[in-house]
Amino acid sequence: DQQVKQNSPSLSVQEGRISILNCDYTNSMFDYFLWYKKYPAEGPTFLISISSIKDKNEDGRFTVFLNKSAKHLSLHIVPSQPGDSAVYFCAASVGGGADGLTFGKGTHLIIQP
Amino acid sequence: GAGVSQSPSNKVTEKGKDVELRCDPISGHTALYWYRQRLGQGLEFLIYFQGNSAPDKSGLPSDRFSAERTGESVSTLTIQRTQQEDSAVYLCASSLFSRVGSPLHFGNGTRLTVT
Repeated sequence: DQQVKQNSPSLSVQEGRISILNCDYTNSMFDYFLWYKKYPAEGPTFLISISSIKDKNEDGRFTVFLNKSAKHLSLHIVPSQPGDSAVYFCAASVGGGADGLTFGKGTHLIIQP
Repeated sequence: GAGVSQSPSNKVTEKGKDVELRCDPISGHTALYWYRQRLGQGLEFLIYFQGNSAPDKSGLPSDRFSAERTGESVSTLTIQRTQQEDSAVYLCASSLFSRVGSPLHFGNGTRLTVT
């Protein structure tokens, strides 16, 4: 029973264009969402987060959108750069805590030159 | 060091052997987590330590898995009588505290291969 779903295993985007990574969740109790980025042979690194009281959070080239009614969130990266090529994990938690984070399977983003 | 350190980075073991994985969290981080990532899967929560509280072991897949943490420092994850399905990358993470605004800082993981 996957509570956090990233249905696209991979995504290829041209450098300079917008990358949109999607994440769906089933547990309506989730109230805090995070995106992590992972390079090969390294651990995931925190990228951006959003609380359920917001519908958008922006940090530089990265923006996360939350649609609670659809139980959907997305990460937008614009403009996409070669260094953005990585696996992106969506994660969710109940009560805003970092304990018990539920992760999706990840989307491998490939930025084409 | 500045980050979470895990050792060994790679471990190959024969089925049935015991293995011990080590994690050095960031100094001062009270919360420590173990996750594993099997091939093609997301990160699966295993166990969580917070200060001197009893650990949350709800994610451990079987009684062959155990973990300890000494105070607010080093943690070891032990897998007894390893099975092939235990092959995965085992990731340790720490955070300053376990609340929002304190994201997890991950180590580079230990890649365990059980032959």
